[in-house]
Amino acid sequence: EVQLVESGGGLIQPGGSLRLSCAASGFTVSTNYMNWVRQAPGKGLEWVSVIHVGGSTYYTDSVNGRFTISRDNSKNTLFLQMNSLRADDTAVYYCARDAGGGSTSQGYFDLWGRGTLVTVSS
Amino acid sequence: DIQMTQSPSTLSASVGDRVTITCRASQNIGNWLAWYQQKPGKAPRLLIYEASSLESGVPSRFSGSGSGTEFTLTISSLQPDDFATYFCQQYKSNSLTFGGGTKVEIK
Repeated sequence: EVQLVESGGGLIQPGGSLRLSCAASGFTVSTNYMNWVRQAPGKGLEWVSVIHVGGSTYYTDSVNGRFTISRDNSKNTLFLQMNSLRADDTAVYYCARDAGGGSTSQGYFDLWGRGTLVTVSS
Repeated sequence: DIQMTQSPSTLSASVGDRVTITCRASQNIGNWLAWYQQKPGKAPRLLIYEASSLESGVPSRFSGSGSGTEFTLTISSLQPDDFATYFCQQYKSNSLTFGGGTKVEIK
């Protein structure tokens, strides 16, 4: 079955760090453009980061310098290392596959996980 | 960033109703627009891409239209499985942005 399963969320104090994982099955993470998207409680969706097939990475301004996207090809898993966490980082974090199939980035997402909740609070 | 504004934020409808959701972009995005359906606790699902192209496996009662700055998602005959929240997303800009969502509730 083609799916994405996120894990690693939880309650963390402001200033702390957390690493999210997204395990893929049924396709290969390294040959697709992979993204993280988040949704704060009661709010809309916000794109967070992308890792290109070639390894280039990009971030939304609010997390640039604090978050790092990466992948482990041997585990077929996507990661999001989150440092210096703030209250406004509280959200459900989804990993999502770009619909381009790896040859190019389309910019929209054809496969999403169910998300993992990150709560930043003292 | 390109701002995406959806309306209404909540919509009450009955099974069988024709439902229309609007998404407006703060600048011209051509046809670079996608629509998603989200149910509580579940992964979002791609419905429409390039403003009007139906994703494989999505029922034909869903359709999208528009270009430039104004777009619509239409459900021709609302089914019980369609009660959910719907989001639009622009991908004209590398800084991808989403609308605030429209919750379709049972009337």
